[in-house]
Parts: sequence; structure tokens; C-alpha cells
Amino acid sequence: DQQVKQNSPSLSVQEGRISILNCDYTNSMFDYFLWYKKYPAEGPTFLISISSIKDKNEDGRFTVFLNKSAKHLSLHIVPSQPGDSAVYFCAAKSGSNYKLTFGKGTLLTVNP
Amino acid sequence: KAGVTQTPRYLIKTRGQQVTLSCSPISGHRSVSWYQQTPGQGLQFLFEYFSETQRNKGNFPGRFSGRQFSNSRSEMNVSTLELGDSALYLCASIRTPGQGPEAFFGQGTRLTVV
Repeated sequence: DQQVKQNSPSLSVQEGRISILNCDYTNSMFDYFLWYKKYPAEGPTFLISISSIKDKNEDGRFTVFLNKSAKHLSLHIVPSQPGDSAVYFCAAKSGSNYKLTFGKGTLLTVNP
Repeated sequence: KAGVTQTPRYLIKTRGQQVTLSCSPISGHRSVSWYQQTPGQGLQFLFEYFSETQRNKGNFPGRFSGRQFSNSRSEMNVSTLELGDSALYLCASIRTPGQGPEAFFGQGTRLTVV
């Protein structure tokens, strides 16, 4: 049972435009959500996170939106840059448990 | 500040052997988690240690084990290796509880079982 789902395996965007990566979850106990960026054969790099008590968190070009009623979150990257091309993972955790449940990832390609 | 260090980066083992992977967390971080990444299953949680105690364990067979030392360094061990154990093994360190649950990952160890 996949508790965190990223339904788009890939996304292609033009440089300078907005990239929107989506994530859905089924476990209502999740109370903290994180986005990671990953290059092949490297570890994931933490990008941005959001607590379930908020609906938006912003850090530079990255904004994460959380819609708890829909059990949906999204990562917006504005403006997109070629260096943003990577696999993006959505992850979730619940309570004091430090176990992260990951989605399968979305490959973002930003074309110059 | 040094990041999470995993050794070795690459490893080739034969089916039936055992392997030990090492992880040094970010200085000051006391919690260490391990994950397995495979093309089919994605990133899956193996276990988490805090102050030398295993606090959580994922859904993996008993061949997968780990430990944490008093300096927070951690090792994971896989015994009786199977071909399906070929994967990227990632270690993550987390700040002291109460300072944010963001996990910071190492570069990983690429294990190939032949």
C-alpha cells in the first residue's frame, strides 16, 4: 500500500517557467512533509518542508503548498533553471517517529 | 560543517556473503536512519537509531541489522546476501529531536551482489 504517491513519473519545463510537482498521501497521521532533490548515484538533498499546521512554506525559488483536506501537497519552483533538473521526492512522517515514507519520485527536466 | 559520510561508496559482493556499511552523521546529530533505494521499490526505510538504541525498524528480513556507537556513528550489516539486495544504501542523520525532523543524507553506498 503506497501511502505517498507521486503520480507523474516525469515533467518537462522550459527554463524561466514554473515547475509544479505534485504529491498525494493517504495516511491522515502524517504531520510533516518534506521535499528532496536527487541526482543519480547521490543521496537526496533536502529542499523544503512543511508542517501540517501550515498551508504554505516558502524558501527562495521553492514554495510548498499543503491542502490537508485533499491530502495533497505541491512543490512550486519559480523560475525553473536547468540545474533544477533532477528527481524530486516527496516524503512524509508522523509524530515523533523519524521514519520517512517516500513517494516514487518525479523526474524534472528543465530545458534551456 | 562536514556532511554525512558513508563508506565505502561502491561495493561488489558475492551471493551468500555478508557486508557491513558505515555511516558517520553530521557532528552533533544523534539520530541515524538507513534507507534502501532500488528501481522497483524506491526509497524504503530500514531502521533508525538514537543514542545507540534502535527506535524504528522497517519491513525488512532479519538479515538486515544495524547498530549505533556512542559517538553516533552507525553501521548496517546484511548477512547471506541475495541478488535482490543490490541497491543504493543511504544513511541520513537528523538533528537532535525538537530541532526539526529534516533528515540529511549521505552520498550512499552502491552495493552490487553478483
